[in-house]
Amino acid sequence: DAKTTQPNSMESNEEEPVHLPCNHSTISGTDYIHWYRQLPSQGPEYVIHGLTSNVNNRMASLAIAEDRKSSTLILHRATLRDAAVYYCILSGAQKLVFGQGTRLTINP
Amino acid sequence: NAGVMQNPRHLVRRRGQEARLRCSPVKGHSHVYWYRQLPEEGLKFMVYLQKENIIDESGMPKERFSAEFPKEGPSILRIQQVVRGDSAAYFCASSPSLGTGGNLYGYTFGSGTRLTVV
Repeated sequence: DAKTTQPNSMESNEEEPVHLPCNHSTISGTDYIHWYRQLPSQGPEYVIHGLTSNVNNRMASLAIAEDRKSSTLILHRATLRDAAVYYCILSGAQKLVFGQGTRLTINP
Repeated sequence: NAGVMQNPRHLVRRRGQEARLRCSPVKGHSHVYWYRQLPEEGLKFMVYLQKENIIDESGMPKERFSAEFPKEGPSILRIQQVVRGDSAAYFCASSPSLGTGGNLYGYTFGSGTRLTVV
């Protein structure tokens, strides 16, 4: 499975946008880029995924670099409930392999 | 639609006992995955099953652990002769069938079973 690199932690303020980066320089042509998040004491939650084009849904936006070697998850207006560990995962095979993720702290 | 249901939420076992963790996938989902999360660590893949078949068990310990997903009923993760190191949160996820080209649709995760071995 191709590897992703994310910062260990990030901090932001409530009601401000948050940009969570992910590097995946060894991505293959068929790998999708997935983002999940895990709130404290809960199971992971699907956030968004994409292949080449930028994607938007009600939770977030995913901006994918033209060469696909990096991507950014964008939370447009963070709330305290967005405090979680965010995982960037590549999938081309039949299972998702989680890394360590980015622990996002939201300040009131 | 109900999500992935895992039970029990909390399970306490003495060393040497057996632990049985149950997972009912989202209705219509035929793929089930089990993950283990040790305290303060990330999720580690254990096993991927389809109905009546184990597809990938590369993350399963070689001894004491087994998993099944029968034609009828929930998926079961079974841990025999538990030891303190088995204490962890065990998460189950389900997905519909794979899309073309190997891409995956989003997984739906359950809330997990927290196993404590005393």
